[in-house]
Amino acid sequence: AQSVAQPEDQVNVAEGNPLTVKCTYSVSGNPYLFWYVQYPNRGLQFLLKYITGDNLVKGSYGFEAEFNKSQTSFHLKKPSALVSDSALYFCAVRDIPLAAGNKLTFGGGTRVLVKP
Amino acid sequence: GAVVSQHPSWVICKSGTSVKIECRSLDFQATTMFWYRQFPKQSLMLMATSNEGSKATYEQGVEKDKFLINHASLTLSTLTVTSAHPEDSSFYICSARWGNQAYGYTFGSGTRLTVV
Repeated sequence: AQSVAQPEDQVNVAEGNPLTVKCTYSVSGNPYLFWYVQYPNRGLQFLLKYITGDNLVKGSYGFEAEFNKSQTSFHLKKPSALVSDSALYFCAVRDIPLAAGNKLTFGGGTRVLVKP
Repeated sequence: GAVVSQHPSWVICKSGTSVKIECRSLDFQATTMFWYRQFPKQSLMLMATSNEGSKATYEQGVEKDKFLINHASLTLSTLTVTSAHPEDSSFYICSARWGNQAYGYTFGSGTRLTVV
């Protein structure tokens, strides 16, 4: 079974400082990994994904994430946070083998609060 | 591209009535759609996977007779909450797979259901 853990319920950071949101995963095979952001009463917006290739993935709005297979992690990072980055962030994983089905499994979410 | 439109964005209904939520893929054909439920400050819980022209696959613990899912065409899936009760109040989000890649997922903007 596939699973995702986001160990921090909330991350507080000052505007202009680096932002890191942690994610670890567990799959039986190789993973497809995703980060999404959710603003209040809205659906999920795609930020970035790792499928294969370069371990450092660059995504929307200046976010990037690094796939680390040995640590089974896929932490989201932004060098300089903005107040507008305050939102709920979800890490998700999909196991590649077809037997695992098509579905994504989400982490519990991390609320990011960027203070001016 | 790959836009999913979800309606309504919010709905208030009386206990005992039924509510239908629509999820449409606007610019692609979605053979597979997913329905999630999200409680306040919590992660997304997959309710069911719907495949066009066949019965939905429900996750364990989800009542199929209460949450009716219909995926009658390649661009439309509906979730009907039957005989709604206050405990059904929640945020419901649909998602669709797009393209031939195994990693293309896009999300609707969500529906806030309040049962009074």
